[in-house]
Amino acid sequence: SYELTQPPSVSVSPGQTASITCSGDKLGDKYTSWYQQKPGQSPVLVIYQDNKWPSGIPERFSGSNSENTATLTISGTQAMDEADYYCQAWDRFIVVFGGGTKLTV
Amino acid sequence: EVQLVQSGAEVKKPGESLRISCKGSGYSFTSYWISWVRQMPGKGLEWMGRIDPRDSSTNYSPSFQGHVTISADKSLSSAYLQWSSLKASDTAMYHCARHANWNSGFDPWGQGTLVTVSS
Repeated sequence: SYELTQPPSVSVSPGQTASITCSGDKLGDKYTSWYQQKPGQSPVLVIYQDNKWPSGIPERFSGSNSENTATLTISGTQAMDEADYYCQAWDRFIVVFGGGTKLTV
Repeated sequence: EVQLVQSGAEVKKPGESLRISCKGSGYSFTSYWISWVRQMPGKGLEWMGRIDPRDSSTNYSPSFQGHVTISADKSLSSAYLQWSSLKASDTAMYHCARHANWNSGFDPWGQGTLVTVSS
């Protein structure tokens, strides 16, 4: 079965740039979405189709996807960005989530 | 406003059956698919399966195939997740989420339904 691998944790200082990676075999051939989940809340879509913003998501969130790695980048990270982040892709009509990355600001 | 509103928390005993619901509003319910996602306590997101409310076609994760049933009633703009015999290991938060097709992201998500299975 297809797997997506994320680092368990990433730390960043306020105002700096955070990068969260998501690795999978030939992931660049698939569309990747990213979700933010804060404690006690449901996930929120922050990037879809590799690099598109849903309505209401700040442009400090950006995404890229190439070869085997997709990356979520948060520029000018704020304390409110502290959360768990999950990548997601489709593989042969099956949805796959990464294991999640805890971002500490 | 596009919303998915899920049914309330449930406490069940092992072996009991259960159906939880997810009601869509603010959009054409049959124009989008609904997926169900499990999140066990302190753990990550696991996709269970999806339904197209237009024709009730479904796809399941191999991990959940045969253990749950996903259905929909387009006249009620609602999707359902059902168990015939719950186990303690089914204790989790269950989320529904809307998506347009195979390549789209999940947006929005319901507020989640906490299912607790305990004797």
